[in-house]
Order: sequence, then C-alpha cells, then structure tokens
Amino acid sequence: KAGVTQTPRYLIKTRGQQVTLSCSPISGHRSVSWYQQTPGQGLQFLFEYFSETQRNKGNFPGRFSGRQFSNSRSEMNVSTLELGDSALYLCASGPGTAGELFFGEGSRLTVL
Amino acid sequence: AQSVAQPEDQVNVAEGNPLTVKCTYSVSGNPYLFWYVQYPNRGLQFLLKYITGDNLVKGSYGFEAEFNKSQTSFHLKKPSALVSDSALYFCAVRDEGRGTYKYIFGTGTRLKVLA
Repeated sequence: KAGVTQTPRYLIKTRGQQVTLSCSPISGHRSVSWYQQTPGQGLQFLFEYFSETQRNKGNFPGRFSGRQFSNSRSEMNVSTLELGDSALYLCASGPGTAGELFFGEGSRLTVL
Repeated sequence: AQSVAQPEDQVNVAEGNPLTVKCTYSVSGNPYLFWYVQYPNRGLQFLLKYITGDNLVKGSYGFEAEFNKSQTSFHLKKPSALVSDSALYFCAVRDEGRGTYKYIFGTGTRLKVLA
C-alpha cells in the first residue's frame, strides 16, 4: 500500500509570493490533516479535512487555506508569504476516526 | 483543553541501556495517546498508541509505553537502546472536542544513543 505522498519536497520562495502544497493520502483514507513544524514552535495543527469538508482549523491567519478533492487528495495554499512561514509542512492521513495518523515526508518551504 | 508535555528536550543514553522518554498529559475525558518518531528530514512515523485496555502498550521496533492514569503519564520505554534509535520523539493526544479530530503534539524529545 502506498504511503502518504507530498509534493514538492523542497521549495524556495520569496516574501509576498504564494505557494501551493499537495498531499495524496493513503488509499481509502478520507481524512487529511496539515501540520506546520518549526524548531521554535514544534508541530502546530493547521486544518483537517474529511470528505471534502474542513472539520477543524488551527490558529493560523487567513493566508493559510486548504481544500480536499473528491479523491481525498488535498492541497494547502499560503498567500503573501512571510519569512516566518519557513517550515516543514506535514500532511497526515487517517480513516477519520480515533486512530493513528500516517504522515508524509513533508514539504520544506524556505521563504527568502 | 487537552495538552501534552515532554519535560526533557534531550535524553542521552548509552547503547544497550534501557531508555525512557517522558510524557504527561492533560485531558478532560478518556485519553487517546500516541508516540511518534521522526528521523532527520523525514515525516513522523507511528510507534504505538493507547486507546483503552492494558496499561502496557507494545509498539514497533521494541518500544513500549506505560499508561498511568493516576500520574497522567505515558512514558515511552525500551529495554535496550540502539544507536539507530537516535531520533526525535513526539508524544501526542487526540483532542476530544465535539466533532474534533485534531491531535496535539508535545514539543519533542531528542534521543541520543551513544555507542
């Protein structure tokens, strides 16, 4: 069974630009979550989608958005990038119940 | 609100010695607790979970964790550490808010196993 796939793995942007990250969950998983990981803040929850609906949202500004498609693939978008958005963005999928999450390798974003 | 704490930023242990990585939690109801490991430039890998049942949970790579309700702890343990166990370890709890399926992670503990 293929794992969670995130693209791109690495990217460099400049301040003010926008970025779109993609996540393909494990086949059959309907829940996709996004987390931001930074050395100073650890893992911070961004949002979670289930069957194309956002079920939960973390405490991030409106510049951070996401969506989920009918095939469960998800994208997150960050507009008007700031230096502080430099981070590893992790996607995780799950069946949508109380079980464990399965993480992708992450997309490392560097904002210059 | 649910929370987890990992009181140690780093734990050093000699290869072959037992290791313990500490985690305490705060939840309003029954806890759903997890341990994950992260190797450099990789995502998180699931190690083990406690949902209900036996307080001693066995997981991947020889790791186990003991759920202690009275001390609200869920420490990760391994009888004999390997150099390859060196990594970043995260404890997590599932947030139990109504209709909530988000997980709250601790700040992580870096485990260093010395040869």
